[in-house]
Amino acid sequence: ETGVTQTPRHLVMGMTNKKSLKCEQHLGHNAMYWYKQSAKKPLELMFVYNFKEQTENNSVPSRFSPECPNSSHLFLHLHTLQPEDSALYLCASSQDGGGLAGAREQYFGPGTRLTVT
Amino acid sequence: DAKTTQPTSMDCAEGRAANLPCNHSTISGNEYVYWYRQIHSQGPQYIIHGLKNNETNEMASLIITEDRKSSTLILPHATLRDTAVYYCIVRVNDYKLSFGAGTTVTVRA
Repeated sequence: ETGVTQTPRHLVMGMTNKKSLKCEQHLGHNAMYWYKQSAKKPLELMFVYNFKEQTENNSVPSRFSPECPNSSHLFLHLHTLQPEDSALYLCASSQDGGGLAGAREQYFGPGTRLTVT
Repeated sequence: DAKTTQPTSMDCAEGRAANLPCNHSTISGNEYVYWYRQIHSQGPQYIIHGLKNNETNEMASLIITEDRKSSTLILPHATLRDTAVYYCIVRVNDYKLSFGAGTTVTVRA
């Protein structure tokens, strides 16, 4: 248990569906992150939120829509996905996501395994 | 962030120390060396980080050369549960963890 939970753990959706991934951190951290890990590829950073404000969007297609209502919760809303979007989606949090030097470690959730059919 | 180079894979025997090398010859003075690992189909797990000095925690030790151009992660007594992909990451701040391919470590009984 890392203190970061993700639901659902597995999701199968059609290309016309709309679904949401949820992440919650119980660590009192200020920053939260979404990563994507496709099969046999390195993790790719998608979004960064710091104190509920989006500070990084790594050229992610608009069919992925993040939402951060507070520092403890992060959502990834999915719509009209493509089969190539099938991947493991990981959420992470860190103490002080201010882009400052003196780096903090990130704590990852278990991920949501998404399959788009 | 500085680029890192790690071996693709390595094996080690259960109960023995595992020494994982990482080259980061372009590291700059304010960049930290981080190590994470990812057990199959799980989220990455933070192991240890350092700037200049060697570091040790309950999981591992990190040895950074004096010129900071390379480092070694040491798992003192490897167990089967240490089988994972190990990532060496160099970065200046806590954004943009950039994961490469890492080293696939297989601990054998």
